Amino acid sequence: SAVISQKPSRDICQRGTSLTIQCQVDSQVTMMFWYRQQPGQSLTLIATANQGSEATYESGFVIDKFPISRPNLTFSTLTVSNMSPEDSSIYLCSGTVFNEQFFGPGTRLTVL
Amino acid sequence: KNEVEQSPQNLTAQEGEFITINCSYSVGISALHWLQQHPGGGIVSLFMLSSGKKKHGRLIATINIQEKHSSLHITASHPRDSAVYICAVLRNRDDKIIFGKGTRLHILP
Repeated sequence: SAVISQKPSRDICQRGTSLTIQCQVDSQVTMMFWYRQQPGQSLTLIATANQGSEATYESGFVIDKFPISRPNLTFSTLTVSNMSPEDSSIYLCSGTVFNEQFFGPGTRLTVL
Repeated sequence: KNEVEQSPQNLTAQEGEFITINCSYSVGISALHWLQQHPGGGIVSLFMLSSGKKKHGRLIATINIQEKHSSLHITASHPRDSAVYICAVLRNRDDKIIFGKGTRLHILP
């Protein structure tokens, strides 16, 4: 099994600033994913974080707004850039270990 | 139509009642997850199923692959079980996870 932690667990940020969310796994994971859950909505995939290459973004999400790093097999970051109140969401990372999916606890972001 | 549908959307029950939350999906999957989201937003993974049934404490999860349906049961429900329960499937064709909209459960003392 694997344990995934995220930092911060929550934050309140000002419009126009950026926040970087960290995702740490206690095992090496083949695939890491970042999701967003806007208020009242289901979780939606933002991008797949690939180790050693650029992330693969889903329709409606772009690298300039959500830059992702994946420097090694146990760590990834998601940055929410130039934030607006519409970015207030829960951001969740997950990882695949031996074809089993594990989820982080989520980061609750509020943008004022 | 959503690929993952949950029912009910909202459920209020008295402490001690037996709770059932349902999840139906319309795509080929290799696994199904049940997640619990606490009022503060934190998410906990409860079960991963690819067949049959799993039990953990007062929680039971079942899946019927032929009928493309899964249920999450809570026995002897307690107010601390109040949370949003989310069904998520790992879609075969592209290995992407599709989430249901969640079921908001409120257990009254």
